[in-house]
Amino acid sequence: AQKITQTQPGMFVQEKEAVTLDCTYDTSDQSYGLFWYKQPSSGEMIFLIYQGSYDEQNATEGRYSLNFQKARKSANLVISASQLGDSAMYFCAMREGQRLQAQLWSRKSGAAGNKLTFGGGTRVLVKP
Amino acid sequence: GAGVSQSPSNKVTEKGKDVELRCDPISGHTALYWYRQSLGQGLEFLIYFQGNSAPDKSGLPSDRFSAERTGGSVSTLTIQRTQQEDSAVYLCASSLGTGADWQYFGPGTRLTVT
Repeated sequence: AQKITQTQPGMFVQEKEAVTLDCTYDTSDQSYGLFWYKQPSSGEMIFLIYQGSYDEQNATEGRYSLNFQKARKSANLVISASQLGDSAMYFCAMREGQRLQAQLWSRKSGAAGNKLTFGGGTRVLVKP
Repeated sequence: GAGVSQSPSNKVTEKGKDVELRCDPISGHTALYWYRQSLGQGLEFLIYFQGNSAPDKSGLPSDRFSAERTGGSVSTLTIQRTQQEDSAVYLCASSLGTGADWQYFGPGTRLTVT
């Protein structure tokens, strides 16, 4: 079964409007981290926002916010006031096995606790 | 400061030849990762290095793939006897390797096997 599912292969959004990109995940771990990356046509992966499973507040970074619904295992990205430069592929990713111990994060050893598992991506095209 | 750099940016090779892809991580980052992105697909984990520990090679698709990291810094991904299905963008990422850190990606190397 897929661990990260992005059900929207592509979407159009009008400039200056908000857009929500869906992401659902599957894990049996209690502790994990969720990430969103942007990949413009240049190919570079740009980190946007991070949400830890134990974070009580939804993460926000400028025009990006993460609508984290733990019970539903969803971590949707909201981009407000879309700009033409937001046109890109957007990937949701998860890192499993983070463990909160007395405010310190630790992980499973090796790649199991460090590698990112990515969804298939959503292509966003912002229209002027 | 400088980000993650990769070279070459593009590589075209004939089927059956060996290729080497290079990654220079961000200075001070102890963790280094290689991912592969096939056309229109998400990223697939290949291999992970953390400091001086033995690398985690659990994502390598076959024994034609290998990687090393010299001096805890620069890494080289080697693909022997390339096949057409190896055509993809190979992305390298690095991170501090501690806490809830995130990975910084390089621009990738686009490999085309003809």
